[in-house]
Amino acid sequence: DTEVTQTPKHLVMGMTNKKSLKCEQHMGHRAMYWYKQKAKKPPELMFVYSYEKLSINESVPSRFSPECPNSSLLNLHLHALQPEDSALYLCASSHPPGPSSYNEQFFGPGTRLTVL
Amino acid sequence: GDSVTQMEGPVTLSEEAFLTINCTYTATGYPSLFWYVQYPGEGLQLLLKATKADDKGSNKGFEATYRKETTSFHLEKGSVQVSDSAVYFCALSASYGNKLVFGAGTILRVKS
Repeated sequence: DTEVTQTPKHLVMGMTNKKSLKCEQHMGHRAMYWYKQKAKKPPELMFVYSYEKLSINESVPSRFSPECPNSSLLNLHLHALQPEDSALYLCASSHPPGPSSYNEQFFGPGTRLTVL
Repeated sequence: GDSVTQMEGPVTLSEEAFLTINCTYTATGYPSLFWYVQYPGEGLQLLLKATKADDKGSNKGFEATYRKETTSFHLEKGSVQVSDSAVYFCALSASYGNKLVFGAGTILRVKS
């Protein structure tokens, strides 16, 4: 299985809502990532989990809260978002960095988020 | 810091034309290099990779060679199809690094 799945595919939420994005992989990868992508731009890294521990937070506002319940799952909890947070949110996974790992990341299809 | 520079688009070609998308990089050490493709409304797909100098990555008719002397990883395809229309991202990963550094992306439009 070489697939990363993400749910939901689309999400519309108000600024006072709380919602969660979900990501799952069954490739045995122990590194998982959240990215934010605006239209016609490259993905911007938000968070990295390595062996289920948060290893990188790219100074993301606290209204985004990541969680890694186990080695296959990654969640992104959303609360009190702003309209400028509307974007495509991408999840990715890879083997953790090491002598025989080249950080080849596999991406999911993304969740298209609209904040009203 | 590490960076990737891609040729600006959009690139518009007729079907069966030859494609080159230029990519150059700046990095310390020996990064791994990647090309990702993003079709409309989808996530990124890994198109090809190269992990050391002079490696050639290839997939689906696309090729790119890791040139350390010119710090380049140009993407080529001999004959493009309408279905190749997408955004192409060049990226690098530093040795033992967790992060991918992306170029700005190049939009490719292929007309029939």
